[in-house]
Amino acid sequence: QVQVQGSGPRLVKPSETLSLTCTVSGDSISPYYWSWIRKAPGQGLEWIGHIHYSLSPKENPSFKSRVTISIDRSTNQFSLKLRSVTAADTAVYYCARDATLVTPLGSYYYMDVWGNGTTVTVSS
Amino acid sequence: DIQMTQSPSSLSASVGDRVTITCRASQNIGNYLNWYQERPGKAPNLLIYAASTLQSGVPSRFSGSGSGTDFTLTISSLQPEDFATYYCQQSHSKPWTFGQGTKVEIK
Repeated sequence: QVQVQGSGPRLVKPSETLSLTCTVSGDSISPYYWSWIRKAPGQGLEWIGHIHYSLSPKENPSFKSRVTISIDRSTNQFSLKLRSVTAADTAVYYCARDATLVTPLGSYYYMDVWGNGTTVTVSS
Repeated sequence: DIQMTQSPSSLSASVGDRVTITCRASQNIGNYLNWYQERPGKAPNLLIYAASTLQSGVPSRFSGSGSGTDFTLTISSLQPEDFATYYCQQSHSKPWTFGQGTKVEIK
């Protein structure tokens, strides 16, 4: 049974870089896309971006190039870096598997396995 | 970006009630629509993908329908564990986007 577990610092200072890692267990990281999503206090869910080991990552343009997503097949991990953080980046950060169902009608993506979430606070 | 709008934002219902949540996309997304349940302090849980396909392990009281721009999540008989927030999400075009959520509360 595949599981994903996020880890990283819970407190980041303004203007610094938020760095999180997600470890995948129970399956290979290779066949899937892997997403980062966040939920700020009192807000809804926001997709940050995703990555596949053999493709370039796709980031949400709303983050204005502050985001880098990377993947390491040798450790079965993928990572998120968010630069120049402000208090608005305070949120619960989730990592998730972005499963794909390929049909003759198209490819369907859905996030079917989620980590527990890492609460990150941006504060001096 | 594709905007997703859910209605209502919240609702009160009783155990056993039939509950319907609506999600509208700002453009035609075919059936590239997923539904998630979020309980307090827990990660979101996939309920339905491709608008109407029930995720493995999800109770059959949950169902989804719709295509194009209008979608519906129905809970046929609300159970105590169903009091939660529900989100729709489109996977037609990146960036993936979510609705603002519908909170289902106990009446």
